[in-house]
Amino acid sequence: QSVLTQPPSLSGAPGQRVTISCKGNSSNIGAGFDVHWYQQIPGTAPKLLIYGNNNRPSGVPERFSGSKSGTSASLAITGLQAEDEADYYCHSYDTSQDLFGTGTRVTVL
Amino acid sequence: QVHLVESGGDLVKPGGSLRLSCAASGFVFSDHYMVWIRQSPGRGLEWISYISPTGSPIHYADYVKDRFTCSRDNTKKSLSLLMTGLTFDDTAVYYCARVGSYSGFDHWGHGTLVTVSS
Repeated sequence: QSVLTQPPSLSGAPGQRVTISCKGNSSNIGAGFDVHWYQQIPGTAPKLLIYGNNNRPSGVPERFSGSKSGTSASLAITGLQAEDEADYYCHSYDTSQDLFGTGTRVTVL
Repeated sequence: QVHLVESGGDLVKPGGSLRLSCAASGFVFSDHYMVWIRQSPGRGLEWISYISPTGSPIHYADYVKDRFTCSRDNTKKSLSLLMTGLTFDDTAVYYCARVGSYSGFDHWGHGTLVTVSS
């Protein structure tokens, strides 16, 4: 079964840039399917952060940006803030099913 | 303002059944695909089912086919998930969500906890 692989954890100081990778394969991201990103504060539901690879819903700060290349995608947080401490998940489509990434816990030092 | 509220989560024995509901408000429910997703510590986020605006077609993840049934009532702006043959692995928080642009899940409910235990 296909998996979208993310680093389990990342950390950065306030103001730094953090990049979260999401590695797929030729049957999901590499097949051209869009990638979406969600932020989840522990104890709450996931919140859509990026849709369609690089689009931000209204209300999402500009410091969040998404990109996709080949079989991988990335979420960048530029100018890390304390409130960005959360879990982040990528999401795409594979053969007949939607897939979520393994999740990345971002810690603000 | 889009609002989704799940209900129906409970403690159930292995082999048992449960029906979850999702009440929607703040948008034209009949215009949107809806999904069920679940989350557990061991398996992370898992997509369960898509249902089209009209109620057909419906797509299921392989691991729930023939056990779970998704349905919707557009007159009541509600979504349901009937779960049968529950196993320990079905223990999770279950979310309903709205499908938005580019098929991202743009609004989620708060979730309802299903615990399968003997």
